[in-house]
Amino acid sequence: EAGVTQFPSHSVIEKGQTVTLRCDPISGHDNLYWYRRVMGKEIKFLLHFVKESKQDESGMPNNRFLAERTGGTYSTLKVQPAELEDSGVYFCAIRTGIYGYTFGSGTRLTVV
Amino acid sequence: DQQVKQNSPSLSVQEGRISILNCDYTNSMFDYFLWYKKYPAEGPTFLISISSIKDKNEDGRFTVFLNKSAKHLSLHIVPSQPGDSAVYFCAASEGANSKLTFGKGITLSVRP
Repeated sequence: EAGVTQFPSHSVIEKGQTVTLRCDPISGHDNLYWYRRVMGKEIKFLLHFVKESKQDESGMPNNRFLAERTGGTYSTLKVQPAELEDSGVYFCAIRTGIYGYTFGSGTRLTVV
Repeated sequence: DQQVKQNSPSLSVQEGRISILNCDYTNSMFDYFLWYKKYPAEGPTFLISISSIKDKNEDGRFTVFLNKSAKHLSLHIVPSQPGDSAVYFCAASEGANSKLTFGKGITLSVRP
């Protein structure tokens, strides 16, 4: 069983539309993170949940991005309205072990 | 302002030889350093890590060296294998549960 499942794997939407990305971690992990990689650049932190609470959302680009984590289980990241610069790969990760994080395969978002 | 820098975008080595991947950081508050490996269409996979209280950590063919005074770390892979061909990300954090700050990654190609 994968540690983190993300869907959809790909999403192509038009500028101005809304998209919701979902992350399903295996149970028992309180710490959940969202990251984004844009255009082959570095992977950048977006936000950190501890259970259902936002511990750190300093990386969220602007108020078009809304993240939730229902009951401390799965998490969603909504972009509304999407802009061209939002294109990239969005990764979800959980803490595993002392140093490690387990990442999902990511959702590739393309805004056209 | 990039706090973790991987200045070489790519590296090509012959199978069986040593691969040395370098990483520099500017934030002296970082105390955990990690290397991740990423294949296309997959999420980053944890490879090896080191705490700031150590200067070396070894795991099989992979060794990470940390030079705190120079704010520099390196990943050595020996011997390199074609299956090691991937993008390698250096990452750092302030504390065990904190967000990761990534470099831009380096593409390693191991030639048979």
